[in-house]
Amino acid sequence: DIQMTQSPSSLSASVGDRVTITCQASQDISKYLNWYQQKPGKAPKLLIYDASILQKGVPSRFSGSGYGTDFTFTISSLQPEDFATYYCQHYDHLYTFGQGTILDVK
Amino acid sequence: QVQLVQSGAEVKKPGASVKVSCKTSGYSFTGFYMHWIRQAPGQGLEWVGWINPANGGTNYARKFQGRVSVTRDTSINTMYMELNRLKSDDTAVYYCARDGSSWMFDHWGQGTLVTVSS
Repeated sequence: DIQMTQSPSSLSASVGDRVTITCQASQDISKYLNWYQQKPGKAPKLLIYDASILQKGVPSRFSGSGYGTDFTFTISSLQPEDFATYYCQHYDHLYTFGQGTILDVK
Repeated sequence: QVQLVQSGAEVKKPGASVKVSCKTSGYSFTGFYMHWIRQAPGQGLEWVGWINPANGGTNYARKFQGRVSVTRDTSINTMYMELNRLKSDDTAVYYCARDGSSWMFDHWGQGTLVTVSS
């Protein structure tokens, strides 16, 4: 099975900061990597799919890149509502999530 | 608009079974795979299984095989998950989610807390 390694596990930042989270696959997964945001007590929300495609309605400060084994998720200018936990996710006959990154206030 | 509405919280004893429902609206129920994903308290997300509502075909994560059953009722656009032989570490919020056709979860239910405790 393909393993997804997400880092960092936690990250402290301030409003206006540029934030980057990475996800590494144990083998080539082409472009098939998705990113979600989850706030406490709420269901996850899809932000990015197929590595770089922004889901409808998601602000353009969110972006994704990568191909193969290495992927990056970026928030260009952190807003107060962006403090949350972020997960990467891949499909390869099984659906696998990264361990999550808790983004909190510095 | 797409909506997924789940049944309410459950408290079960170890060894019992639980059945959670997910009622969908706002789209063609048979046109999209549906999934169950769970999240133990303070932990990450774990995929449980999927169903193809068009034909009832299913696939489950290895750790749940033999203990979980996902079914659907197309007459009421509803999916179900039954988990048997419950253990304390099955305590989690269980989410239903729609597969947006690129193996991603584009719409989610509100979650159902299942607590397993003696």
